[in-house]
Amino acid sequence: QQQVKQSPQSLIVQKGGISIINCAYENTAFDYFPWYQQFPGKGPALLIAIRPDVSEKKEGRFTISFNKSAKQFSLHIMDSQPGDSATYFCAASMEGSGYALNFGKGTSLLVTP
Amino acid sequence: SAVISQKPSRDICQRGTSLTIQCQVDSQVTMMFWYRQQPGQSLTLIATANQGSEATYESGFVIDKFPISRPNLTFSTLTVSNMSPEDSSIYLCSVEVLVSGGEAFFGQGTRLTVV
Repeated sequence: QQQVKQSPQSLIVQKGGISIINCAYENTAFDYFPWYQQFPGKGPALLIAIRPDVSEKKEGRFTISFNKSAKQFSLHIMDSQPGDSATYFCAASMEGSGYALNFGKGTSLLVTP
Repeated sequence: SAVISQKPSRDICQRGTSLTIQCQVDSQVTMMFWYRQQPGQSLTLIATANQGSEATYESGFVIDKFPISRPNLTFSTLTVSNMSPEDSSIYLCSVEVLVSGGEAFFGQGTRLTVV
């Protein structure tokens, strides 16, 4: 059973545009929501993460928006660049499980020149 | 952060054999995790390995198939036993760094192909 649902499965954005990836979860015990970026042949790399006590977190061109009541969170990539082309995974975890990660199915992002 | 080294990076194995994957971390960590990523798919947690205790396996994964060792706070191994082609996947080691607020870091993975 997929505990974190991610959409879209794939996304094509022009250079300079905004990439938006959405995730939803059911388990209200989740208290940590990271996003990972994965390039082919590499392990996932932590991009940005948020906890439910804030509604938004921004790091450079990457922003997480978090809606606790809707149990949804999203990743916005501003001014998308071809180098951002990768697979993005949202995840959720909780202290009670030692922060083991429940991943979404991933979004393959292609940024065209 | 943490630097994680996995060995081997890739291997091609015959069905029915076993492969042991090593995970070395550059700092002491309490929690280590093993994930499987099937081709083009997401990551699925296999088990959680804490030093000094038996690994905890997720539903669908059993110790006889995926025995794990955690002899100290910087090292763990995952063995994939009696392999079949369905075990062809990327296996990833991950550690949680509590001083970073629970952030999890991943090794580069072991790409296993079973023929």
